[in-house]
Amino acid sequence: EAQVTQNPRYLITVTGKKLTVTCSQNMNHEYMSWYRQDPGLGLRQIYYSMNVEVTDKGDVPEGYKVSRKEKRNFPLILESPSPNQTSLYFCASSRDMNTEAFFGQGTRLTVV
Amino acid sequence: RKEVEQDPGPFNVPEGATVAFNCTYSNSASQSFFWYRQDCRKEPKLLMSVYSSGNEDGRFTAQLNRASQYISLLIRDSKLSDSATYLCVVPRPGGYNKLIFGAGTRLAVHP
Repeated sequence: EAQVTQNPRYLITVTGKKLTVTCSQNMNHEYMSWYRQDPGLGLRQIYYSMNVEVTDKGDVPEGYKVSRKEKRNFPLILESPSPNQTSLYFCASSRDMNTEAFFGQGTRLTVV
Repeated sequence: RKEVEQDPGPFNVPEGATVAFNCTYSNSASQSFFWYRQDCRKEPKLLMSVYSSGNEDGRFTAQLNRASQYISLLIRDSKLSDSATYLCVVPRPGGYNKLIFGAGTRLAVHP
């Protein structure tokens, strides 16, 4: 089954404690991206990757890092989480920019 | 002006009604457009793609008006199961490799 898998689904953490949210896709897609979704703001892109070892900033990259060492995996790293990073996060993958994007089930992060 | 704007709603309609949402976009160079459906706090899923003047799939019709820079989504014979948030998505043209999401329009279909 074609899917994008994110882990964990829910996470409560404290300010400053480094965390990683994993994302994996089994569709051999080249394009992957991370979004955060906040009420009234819609989905905003954090980082994206066009292929292995190729990543670039989205619209709200501050406070986040990513890596793309393998095609299937695109982890999101918060080196020092802060309360303003409390949000619902989605990972997505697609063949390219103009085709259907498949989303993971989301990670609800709370930073206290 | 936001790159992609939608009426947030909510649109409250009875079963069987026809409802239409509009989405405006700011970049006239945009070539492709998407409507995604998102159920409460779940992941968005593709509903329709629009590459030319429009697209139709059963009860759903998407139309593109390039001159006025808007995309519409029409839902006929609304079902309770259509209750969701509908997201308008436009790839940012010019090689920026970014999808721009509207904030979504919420639809509530009641018996």
